[in-house]
Amino acid sequence: DTAVSQTPKYLVTQMGNDKSIKCEQNLGHDTMYWYKQDSKKFLKIMFSYNNKELIINETVPNRFSPKSPDKAHLNLHINSLELGDSAVYFCASSQVRGGSPLHFGNGTRLTVT
Amino acid sequence: TQLLEQSPQFLSIQEGENLTVYCNSSSVFSSLQWYRQEPGEGPVLLVTVVTGGEVKKLKRLTFQFGDARKDSSLHITAAQPGDTGLYLCAGAETSGSRLTFGEGTQLTVNP
Repeated sequence: DTAVSQTPKYLVTQMGNDKSIKCEQNLGHDTMYWYKQDSKKFLKIMFSYNNKELIINETVPNRFSPKSPDKAHLNLHINSLELGDSAVYFCASSQVRGGSPLHFGNGTRLTVT
Repeated sequence: TQLLEQSPQFLSIQEGENLTVYCNSSSVFSSLQWYRQEPGEGPVLLVTVVTGGEVKKLKRLTFQFGDARKDSSLHITAAQPGDTGLYLCAGAETSGSRLTFGEGTQLTVNP
């Protein structure tokens, strides 16, 4: 009964490939997020969806495309992967939008070779 | 986007020592949250402080929100190896749009 689950846990792929990360939350929260954590452990928001509607879209290359089929799911698709995309990607959810406390998944470590 | 500076970035201490982690900004936040992250896991919320001057205690951890709601501190008394982890502060912007994270403090408590 994991609250926020994301798959896969590890993803190793070559430059130029396309990959997806899936996220699901069973908390009944309205808002979901994707964060990127770099090698220095800095957490940076990428996207936020509220009830399937995109509300935050940071300066992220358009190779990254989020999709929210329903408010419990938020997937991240990445096209033409580059070396600099290597990082840990975290999905999170919150009860409401704005500064509500976040519930994080356990992350997906993406390594691009 | 409002910025949060966290210090120190790294802290290595012996079991039983006390420590304080600081989270500072020139901007006002409507609330501030502290998270702890362990290797291979996502950050987990420890506490939220909302009112200027507020102090919250969680066992050996004491959290304080500055009077002007621009800064916060986390004090750990008699640290234990189980306290080892990455501590992150996050401020809720007054615009209400998002959380801004500090850069994190990597704490190692040696037995």
